[in-house]
Amino acid sequence: KAGVTQTPRYLIKTRGQQVTLSCSPISGHRSVSWYQQTPGQGLQFLFEYFSETQRNKGNFPGRFSGRQFSNSRSEMNVSTLELGDSALYLCASSLGGQGSLGYTFGSGTRLTVV
Amino acid sequence: EDQVTQSPEALRLQEGESSSLNCSYTVSGLRGLFWYRQDPGKGPEFLFTLYSAGEEKEKERLKATLTKKESFLHITAPKPEDSATYLCAVQANSGYSTLTFGKGTMLLVSP
Repeated sequence: KAGVTQTPRYLIKTRGQQVTLSCSPISGHRSVSWYQQTPGQGLQFLFEYFSETQRNKGNFPGRFSGRQFSNSRSEMNVSTLELGDSALYLCASSLGGQGSLGYTFGSGTRLTVV
Repeated sequence: EDQVTQSPEALRLQEGESSSLNCSYTVSGLRGLFWYRQDPGKGPEFLFTLYSAGEEKEKERLKATLTKKESFLHITAPKPEDSATYLCAVQANSGYSTLTFGKGTMLLVSP
């Protein structure tokens, strides 16, 4: 059974640009969550999508957005990149129903903003 | 607000030297407490889920335990390949809750 797939693995962008990251969840999983991981803050929750709807949102500025497609694949977008957005962006999928337990993570996208 | 604190931040052990990692948490009703292992440049890899105080789970040299306020990850006779960052996370028992993570313990096991 294929795991969670994130593309691309690495990205280098310039300040002010925008970027789109992609995540394909485990087959049958309907929930996709995004996390930002930095050395200083650890893993911080960005947002969660379930059945194409944003169900939860973390405390990040509006420059961070996402969406989910009918096949459960998800994308996140960061506009007007800042140096502080350099991080490992992780996607996690789960079955997503109420009471659903646990998440499986992808390998992440390493974003470097220069 | 759910909170998770892990200690120590970093731990260096000699091969075969057993130790424990701590995860203290506050959550409004616990659905599950999770331990993950993360290698550099990779995503977290699931290790254990614990649901209620008193529960214990084992996998090879790792044993996770849970109380009402803490979880411990005991590492018995570690090997260099156990070197990684170990992450603890909680999921609250309220609707469609997400994971709240601690900052992790970086473990280095020297031969």
